[in-house]
Amino acid sequence: AQSVTQPDIHITVSEGASLELRCNYSYGATPYLFWYVQSPGQGLQLLLKYFSGDTLVQGIKGFEAEFKRSQSSFNLRKPSVHWSDAAEYFCAVGPRETGANNLFFGTGTRLTVIP
Amino acid sequence: EAQVTQNPRYLITVTGKKLTVTCSQNMNHEYMSWYRQDPGLGLRQIYYSMNVEVTDKGDVPEGYKVSRKEKRNFPLILESPSPNQTSLYFCASGYYEQYFGPGTRLTVT
Repeated sequence: AQSVTQPDIHITVSEGASLELRCNYSYGATPYLFWYVQSPGQGLQLLLKYFSGDTLVQGIKGFEAEFKRSQSSFNLRKPSVHWSDAAEYFCAVGPRETGANNLFFGTGTRLTVIP
Repeated sequence: EAQVTQNPRYLITVTGKKLTVTCSQNMNHEYMSWYRQDPGLGLRQIYYSMNVEVTDKGDVPEGYKVSRKEKRNFPLILESPSPNQTSLYFCASGYYEQYFGPGTRLTVT
């Protein structure tokens, strides 16, 4: 069965520091991979996605993620965090045979940014 | 502007009183879906629709109904709400890239 693991429930970083949020998935083949961000009281916004090709993908707001097939991982990174990045981040996978119509989400990582 | 709207945004109701949460999108997407979000569980899909009059169950469909009579609208119906359906609900639109509505916070007492 498909599963998505975000091992860090809560991460605190200082403004200006680098950030890496971890995501591991379990699936029989390489799925479609997504990162979403949810600001307090808001819906989810797509940060970036991986379908195929270059394993380092760039997203909005200065985020990037790297797909590593050997590790079944799709970690999200940002070189310098801003206070406005405080939010909850969700990794999601979508089986290739059904596209993104049945996304499986991780349980999320809450990011706190301190001055 | 590409948009998914949901109404109401907040709803407090009592057990057994039928309710409908509306969802509308302006992107002409064929695919729409409903999720619920609960602490520690992430988002779980309730129902999805591949097109008008085509709907199917997601991972947690019990206690919910949906309909898709027009491409732009995909309402979520709770015929007899129960307290375990207290949750934050999101409608989403799009196939390879999903756009989410702002959410509906439902409390069933």
